[in-house]
Amino acid sequence: AQSVTQPDIHITVSEGASLELRCNYSYGATPYLFWYVQSPGQGLQLLLKYFSGDTLVQGIKGFEAEFKRSQSSFNLRKPSVHWSDAAEYFCAVATSAAGNKLTFGGGTRVLVKP
Amino acid sequence: GAVVSQHPSWVICKSGTSVKIECRSLDFQATTMFWYRQFPKQSLMLMATSNEGSKATYEQGVEKDKFLINHASLTLSTLTVTSAHPEDSSFYICSASSNFNTEAFFGQGTRLTVV
Repeated sequence: AQSVTQPDIHITVSEGASLELRCNYSYGATPYLFWYVQSPGQGLQLLLKYFSGDTLVQGIKGFEAEFKRSQSSFNLRKPSVHWSDAAEYFCAVATSAAGNKLTFGGGTRVLVKP
Repeated sequence: GAVVSQHPSWVICKSGTSVKIECRSLDFQATTMFWYRQFPKQSLMLMATSNEGSKATYEQGVEKDKFLINHASLTLSTLTVTSAHPEDSSFYICSASSNFNTEAFFGQGTRLTVV
């Protein structure tokens, strides 16, 4: 069965520092991978997605992610964090060919220190 | 484009009553909609998949008689929580996709509190 693991429950980072959120997946077929951000009490905002092609994916808000098939990973990065990046981040893998049915990781809460 | 709207954003209801949550695709025809539930400080768990005009497919452990899903049109799906109890208090989020999209688009979620 498919699964997504986000090993870090909480990450605290200083404003201006770099950020990397880890995501490992388990899925038998070629995965469709997503990163979402959720602010408290809000819905999900798509940061970026990987379906095929270039394994380094650029997203919104200065985020990028790299798909590494050999490591079954899809880690999210941002070179310089802003206070507004404090939120919950979810990695997800699509478990349907259409790419629309998602299995989510447990999430990583990011706290940004001034 | 690809806007999905949920209503209401939040609702408080008494234990034993039923609550209906709507999920609408505003600018595309959603042949498939998904309903997720998120407990506080937890991840999103898929509850069911609904295809327009057919019965919803529920994930294991989700009571279909308690969580009634209707997808009667290409722009609207509803989730009715019947005989709600405090343990049903949660954040419910829908997503919708069409035959032409390779991804689903999420609504803003509905916070349900049962007192």
